[in-house]
Amino acid sequence: DAGITQSPRHKVTETGTPVTLRCHQTENHRYMYWYRQDPGHGLRLIHYSYGVKDTDKGEVSDGYSVSRSKTEDFLLTLESATSSQTSVYFCAIAGGPSTGELFFGEGSRLTVL
Amino acid sequence: GENVEQHPSTLSVQEGDSAVIKCTYSDSASNYFPWYKQELGKRPQLIIDIRSNVGEKKDQRIAVTLNKTAKHFSLHITETQPEDSAVYFCAATTPGSSNTGKLIFGQGTTLQVKP
Repeated sequence: DAGITQSPRHKVTETGTPVTLRCHQTENHRYMYWYRQDPGHGLRLIHYSYGVKDTDKGEVSDGYSVSRSKTEDFLLTLESATSSQTSVYFCAIAGGPSTGELFFGEGSRLTVL
Repeated sequence: GENVEQHPSTLSVQEGDSAVIKCTYSDSASNYFPWYKQELGKRPQLIIDIRSNVGEKKDQRIAVTLNKTAKHFSLHITETQPEDSAVYFCAATTPGSSNTGKLIFGQGTTLQVKP
């Protein structure tokens, strides 16, 4: 498995609180992604990064922000969590668009009460 | 932006039968089409992929076909086995202005193979 870890793996929080999920990679890959997985919706892209300090929005970016200050870390922040953000969040890395394959982390299950 | 539709949402087959999952995409500039398999409680993993300059690709019991004119691609699994039971996702990517290869997924198909 590619060297990619997510933390925390499980979190329960209350509506209105801030939440940060961390994705850490040891592969020195340039591209990192955050997806959310919900029944009936598949994997939806939230934000992605194509280099340090280079990020862009995905399909469902409202309510989320990201930061990438180092190659190895990509943080996803929910500034004020809502119940609609209850989901499983997957981080993924890729060497580049020409390499194609995404390597996913194990997922972080977030419950917003 | 790119939109990927996947059908069916669930598929049940008898062991040994074939299974076919179909996806359509909207952006004619899309050039890379992977398929991921996700077993229960696990992370998605790539099982096969195809690029826009190829019409078909096979790997043992699985194959993918691409019709660029119709903008659809399909996953074919032959001689299905119980261990093929999983959720399958198709995806498509379009080179963006920064050549980032943003990957957009379909909604997923839950395949059940009955012994």
